[in-house]
Amino acid sequence: QQQVKQSPQSLIVQKGGISIINCAYENTAFDYFPWYQQFPGKGPALLIAIRPDVSEKKEGRFTISFNKSAKQFSLHIMDSQPGDSATYFCAASTRLQGAQKLVFGQGTRLTINP
Amino acid sequence: NAGVTQTPKFQVLKTGQSMTLQCAQDMNHNSMYWYRQDPGMGLRLIYYSASEGTTDKGEVPNGYNVSRLNKREFSLRLESAAPSQTSVYFCASGQGQGYNSPLHFGNGTRLTVT
Repeated sequence: QQQVKQSPQSLIVQKGGISIINCAYENTAFDYFPWYQQFPGKGPALLIAIRPDVSEKKEGRFTISFNKSAKQFSLHIMDSQPGDSATYFCAASTRLQGAQKLVFGQGTRLTINP
Repeated sequence: NAGVTQTPKFQVLKTGQSMTLQCAQDMNHNSMYWYRQDPGMGLRLIYYSASEGTTDKGEVPNGYNVSRLNKREFSLRLESAAPSQTSVYFCASGQGQGYNSPLHFGNGTRLTVT
């Protein structure tokens, strides 16, 4: 049972275009929604995160849009660059006894064509 | 500053063999985590340790044991490896459960069980 569903599995975007990755969750106890970026042979690294009391967060070319009522959130990458080619994971977190238990989506392999 | 260090990077085991995956962090983080990454499944939490001296099960703990040796080190043991445990294993650490406490991941151990 996948608590966080991510789509698409793979995405090809031309340089300069907008990349959009979508996620949906079921558990209303989730209270933190990060996105992680992973390059081949490396571990995931935090890209951007949002709290459920905020509808949008922007950091440079990266924006998270959050729809609490629909239980959906998405990552937008503006002006996509070849260096953005990576696998992206959305996640949702519950916090328990000092730990941050992340539930990850299935991942999206993003390729930016030059 | 090494961050999160995992050893070994690669390992091949035969069914029934045992091994321990090592993880150490130098960021003075309280919480540590073990995830496994499988194609199409994202990352799934195996075990976590909210603080030194405590460990708890995650989503997929069967077949694994952990030890929080001290604040820096958190090991994962496979007592009798099975082909279903073929995966990439990631260790992560975090300062706590706050919104500004991202998880920091190591670069993974690629394990193959034949």
